[in-house]
This record gives sequence, structure tokens and C-alpha cells, in this order.
Amino acid sequence: SQQGEEDPQALSIQEGENATMNCSYKTSINNLQWYRQNSGRGLVHLILIRSNEREKHSGRLRVTLDTSKKSSSLLITASRAADTASYFCATPRSSNTGKLIFGQGTTLQVKP
Amino acid sequence: NAGVTQTPKFQVLKTGQSMTLQCAQDMNHEYMSWYRQDPGMGLRLIHYSVGAGITDQGEVPNGYNVSRSTTEDFPLRLLSAAPSQTSVYFCASRAGTANTGELFFGEGSRLTVL
Repeated sequence: SQQGEEDPQALSIQEGENATMNCSYKTSINNLQWYRQNSGRGLVHLILIRSNEREKHSGRLRVTLDTSKKSSSLLITASRAADTASYFCATPRSSNTGKLIFGQGTTLQVKP
Repeated sequence: NAGVTQTPKFQVLKTGQSMTLQCAQDMNHEYMSWYRQDPGMGLRLIHYSVGAGITDQGEVPNGYNVSRSTTEDFPLRLLSAAPSQTSVYFCASRAGTANTGELFFGEGSRLTVL
């Protein structure tokens, strides 16, 4: 079963708007990662947030983590057409094997 | 520095045929893994390895074999292909085996089984 579930499955916005994607997970984790996938390409790591962090920033990206609700959100501010991609959250299955389990992803379309 | 290289990029097989998807990384990463990506299913872990000579099963290992004879290579073998194995396959590697490092992905291998 999937550890992470993204919401919404698809999102369409205009350039300049903010995009928010959510991820819920089931078990306790020590970190959560977000990845991006452009159409037809491999995934690229965006950001990692640890369980003792509530918020993290990287450029136009802002990630939050609420361990009590077992949820995370990815906010992309001032979106650009080049942000059009699928975004996935990933959580560890267990701490001692390094297995990373991905959600189903959110497909973001940014219209110019 | 090539990163993670997967070959072939595209492959068409007939049911029952066997083939190997190749994955090589030049970053001296200990951890390597194979995922398959299907519409609506996200990425699912097939097999993974935490070092040369060590492999283990992921979420969907049936129908696939792996081996890790060197640090650099982690081939995925389909012994008898089935239409249900039509998918896009991704190899990913990471420095170290802790789950706090980022995964580096290859560009994918698109497999169609007729």
C-alpha cells in the first residue's frame, strides 16, 4: 500500500499564482522528501524535511510538516510555466533499510 | 559525471520473453533501487540493494530478479515477461543507506509487453 497520498491529483493554475500540494502518510517517519518529475523524465529531488522541523524553504518552495496530522504540504510561490510537472512526496518505509516509498503524485499545470 | 544511466530507453517484448534492464551509476553510491511507474499508481519499489552482494525485495518483486555484483551496476531481470509488466522502470541510487539522503534517478526505461 502507498505510504504517501498526494492531494489534489491534478492542479491547474495561471502563471504567477501559488500552487499548494498536500501529502498524507500513515506511519511515523523521521523525514519526508519531495520530488519533481517533468514529463518523460526521471524524478529530481527538491527538498527534505526532518521530523523535528515544521517548515523549510528553498527558493520559491516552502514545505511544511505536521507530524501530529501525518501530513506535509508543498507550496510553490509565483509559479512559472516551467514549474509544470508532477510532484511526489516520499517517506521512509523503515529507518534501517533506506527504502523510500512514493505517493501517487500531483500533476501541476501552470498556464502562461 | 553521468549520474544514473539506464539502458535501453525503450523496449518491446513478447509475452514469455526475457530481458535485462541495465542500470549503472558513477557516484559510488551504496544504495540502488528499481521502481516501476504506472498511471494512477505512482512509483512502486521492486527491489533494492544496500551494497554489493546484498539485495532485498520491495513492494512488487514478483516476476523480477536482481543482483549486485559491483557497486556501480544493478541490473533488473524479467525472466518471463507478462503484459502486466508493461511500465516505465526507474533506477535510483543514493549515497549511504540511511533514508535521509536524496535519491538520484535515471531517465527511465519504457517497456511494452505484447
